[in-house]
Amino acid sequence: AQTVTQSQPEMSVQEAETVTLSCTYDTSESDYYLFWYKQPPSRQMILVIRQEAYKQQNATENRFSVNFQKAAKSFSLKISDSQLGDAAMYFCAWEGSGGSNYKLTFGKGTLLTVNP
Amino acid sequence: DAGVIQSPRHEVTEMGQEVTLRCKPISGHNSLFWYRQTMMRGLELLIYFNNNVPIDDSGMPEDRFSAKMPNASFSTLKIQPSEPRDSAVYFCASSGGRGRAQHFGDGTRLSIL
Repeated sequence: AQTVTQSQPEMSVQEAETVTLSCTYDTSESDYYLFWYKQPPSRQMILVIRQEAYKQQNATENRFSVNFQKAAKSFSLKISDSQLGDAAMYFCAWEGSGGSNYKLTFGKGTLLTVNP
Repeated sequence: DAGVIQSPRHEVTEMGQEVTLRCKPISGHNSLFWYRQTMMRGLELLIYFNNNVPIDDSGMPEDRFSAKMPNASFSTLKIQPSEPRDSAVYFCASSGGRGRAQHFGDGTRLSIL
C-alpha cells in the first residue's frame, strides 16, 4: 500500500525566513502526482503546489517551491520569505496513475508556526 | 467561478438523529470525494464517485453511513443513526480527473451530543 510520511509534526519559522517541510512516500509506481495542501485555522483545504512525477523540473508557485527527488521518493516544500499568513497545517499527498483510482493518500501533516 | 459548496457549515444534533450533509461540486468536475477529519485519525477518505458512480467506499466506517450522487451537481452523505463518535469535520472535494488537484469545500463541522 502507498504511504506518505511527514516526519515533522511541528515546525516554526521567523517571518521573512525560509523553511522546508519534509515529505517522503512509498510507491512501486513510476507515474504519479504529488501535492501540497495548506489548511489554515479557517479549516479550508487549499492547494499550494502540484508536481507530476514524470517531470524532472521542480514545481514553483511564487514563494513556494518543491524539491522532488524521485529516486529517494522525497517531496519537500520550501517556503521562502515566510509570512504570518503562511501559518497553517501543511499536508503532503500522493495520487497514483493506475486504473480508475483517483484517490489521494495524505500524510498526517506538519503544523507550521510563523513567528513575527 | 464558484468552488465546491457544502451545507450546512455547522450541524449540532443529538445522538440517534439522522444527519444529511450536502455537496455541490465544481461544474465540469467528474470526480467527487467525501472525507472525514478528526484530531485522532487525521484526514480519511470515506467514499468517492467518478461520473456519479461510487468507485471506492472502503472508507465508509459502517452501515450507518451512506452516500449518493444522483446527478453530476449534487451529492449527499447521510448518517443514520448518528453517534457521538461521528463528530468531526466532513469535507467534500471534486476534481476534473487524474492528476488534477482536488478542490475542497469549506467543510461541515458536525457535533453529535
